[in-house]
Amino acid sequence: KAGVTQTPRYLIKTRGQQVTLSCSPISGHRSVSWYQQTPGQGLQFLFEYFSETQRNKGNFPGRFSGRQFSNSRSEMNVSTLELGDSALYLCASSTRDVQETQYFGPGTRLLVL
Amino acid sequence: KQEVTQIPAALSVPEGENLVLNCSFTDSAIYNLQWFRQDPGKGLTSLLLIQSSQREQTSGRLNASLDKSSGRSTLYIAASQPGDSATYLCAVRLGNQGGKLIFGQGTELSVKP
Repeated sequence: KAGVTQTPRYLIKTRGQQVTLSCSPISGHRSVSWYQQTPGQGLQFLFEYFSETQRNKGNFPGRFSGRQFSNSRSEMNVSTLELGDSALYLCASSTRDVQETQYFGPGTRLLVL
Repeated sequence: KQEVTQIPAALSVPEGENLVLNCSFTDSAIYNLQWFRQDPGKGLTSLLLIQSSQREQTSGRLNASLDKSSGRSTLYIAASQPGDSATYLCAVRLGNQGGKLIFGQGTELSVKP
């Protein structure tokens, strides 16, 4: 089975712009979660989608949003980028069952100038 | 609020040593605990998943234990190799929050040849 894929792998944006990141889960997985990783804050949960519905949301401002499509692919969007949004954005997929392992993609490295 | 702590933050050992990484969490009402490995600039690789009802899991040279009542987990690495050099992260999953994982800050391991 192919693993979790994320596109693009690297992005450079300027403050005020917006960005969309994409995540394709492992085939058959219906849950997709997003995380932000920074040196100072570590890994922080952004949100989780299951069957096109947001099931859980972390403590991030409304500039961070996401969605999930009927094929389980997910996108996250960050509007009005700030310097502090520079981070590695990781998505993870799993089956519906919360007992199951979460599998992570390689991440998208976002640099905001 | 669940908090996850990993000690030590960094560890350097000579090749061949057995070592133990520690993870503690403040709320024992977890669903499961997962250990991950992260190589620099890369995504997370799942190592072991321990359900709340289990005491330990083993995979090759790795053994993870879980003591829910004391809020602790350990990852034991036998006969360490330079290829084990990476950051090791533990994460807990709460039963009432779907797929959300709460991560520790990680232990950066360096195994010297």
